[in-house]
Amino acid sequence: EVQLLESGGGLVQPGGSLRLSCAASGFTFSRNAMAWVRQAPGKGLEWVSGISAGGSNTYYADSVKGRFTISRDNSKNTLYLQMNSLRAEDTAVYYCAKALSGWQPMDYWGQGTLVTVSS
Amino acid sequence: EIVLTQSPATLSLSPGERATLSCRASQSVSGYLAWYQQKPGQAPRLLMYDASNRATGIPARFSGSGSGTDFTLTISTLDPEDFAVYYCQQHSSWPWTFGQGTKVEIK
Repeated sequence: EVQLLESGGGLVQPGGSLRLSCAASGFTFSRNAMAWVRQAPGKGLEWVSGISAGGSNTYYADSVKGRFTISRDNSKNTLYLQMNSLRAEDTAVYYCAKALSGWQPMDYWGQGTLVTVSS
Repeated sequence: EIVLTQSPATLSLSPGERATLSCRASQSVSGYLAWYQQKPGQAPRLLMYDASNRATGIPARFSGSGSGTDFTLTISTLDPEDFAVYYCQQHSSWPWTFGQGTKVEIK
């Protein structure tokens, strides 16, 4: 059974940093591209970032480019999102998601971790 | 970036009725469009990918069509469990983007 478990969310002040982790199990992690998607309270989905299976290719939404960094450790089956210079508008539930195959859409999602940016 | 516009914002229907949801892209995404379903307090669930391919375990009452800039998700006969918010997402070019969602509510 595929499982994705996010952690690392919490309350942070504007301008602060936070690192999210996503522990994956139930599939061969090193063979799948992964992504982060967020959802602000009461709002729709926003794709944040994606990373290739080997980690060499990364992509970002314009809203987070230069502030967020996606990475993965295939030896630990873990996906990361380093978030710097956080803003109030980054407040959201952050979901980790697995690509169906290659750069296909996301077929498995974690339950999400809440990030709140507030003073 | 490619903007996806979904319509209508809300669809009020009764169980057993047919639902037709639209997603329009600001530029061609070829056939690289997905649909997701999200219920309150839950993570999204992949329904369709590449416009017309059902994801694993998705019932046959869900179907997708379209290419280029205009896409449709059809639920042939609404089941009570189908009342939810539906999002389209393009995976044609970076950054990937989502539509703003269509809420299918019970009339």
